[in-house]
Amino acid sequence: GNSVTQMEGPVTLSEEAFLTINCTYTATGYPSLFWYVQYPGEGLQLLLKATKADDKGSNKGFEATYRKETTSFHLEKGSVQVSDSAVYFCALRGGSNYKLTFGKGTLLTVNP
Amino acid sequence: DADVTQTPRNRITKTGKRIMLECSQTKGHDRMYWYRQDPGLGLRLIYYSFDVKDINKGEISDGYSVSRQAQAKFSLSLESAIPNQTALYFCATSDLGRGDSDTQYFGPGTRLTVL
Repeated sequence: GNSVTQMEGPVTLSEEAFLTINCTYTATGYPSLFWYVQYPGEGLQLLLKATKADDKGSNKGFEATYRKETTSFHLEKGSVQVSDSAVYFCALRGGSNYKLTFGKGTLLTVNP
Repeated sequence: DADVTQTPRNRITKTGKRIMLECSQTKGHDRMYWYRQDPGLGLRLIYYSFDVKDINKGEISDGYSVSRQAQAKFSLSLESAIPNQTALYFCATSDLGRGDSDTQYFGPGTRLTVL
């Protein structure tokens, strides 16, 4: 079945530091890949997505590239801000199955 | 106004009580989902519905039931609540057959505590 493994947190960084949150997946076929973000007290919001190999999703300074050869979709940001503090979830939708499979989430805290 | 709303936002109840969580959406989406979130476990799918007449079990449906009253409304019920159903519950929607059909849109969540 489908599964997502993401870097365990918590991750604590200083403002303007570089961020990487690793995500790898197992799926049949050609899944779509997502990063969702959950700010404190809120629901999940789509941050970015990629639907085929070598696609790069980007939004709000975050980027992730769909790497089929390494089955990875790592999230990166060059310079984090305090407002980026949140829980980040990697997820996939596999083939004709419209259900999302989520990783366990990574808590990011950015200190001023 | 929010596109996906959930009521109540917080609920404390006792073991054995029946509880209903409600979800409404104004996005016009056909597909609706119920997830629960537990610390360290991510989100797990409870039930999903692809239209009013189509209800499907997710990975953790035991102890839960759902009702799709209309395209815009999808309710989750706990017939007899137990403490290990204490969690944060999310409703989500997605579109059918359009370019954005991959994306799910989440409500703000309902925090349920079963004593």
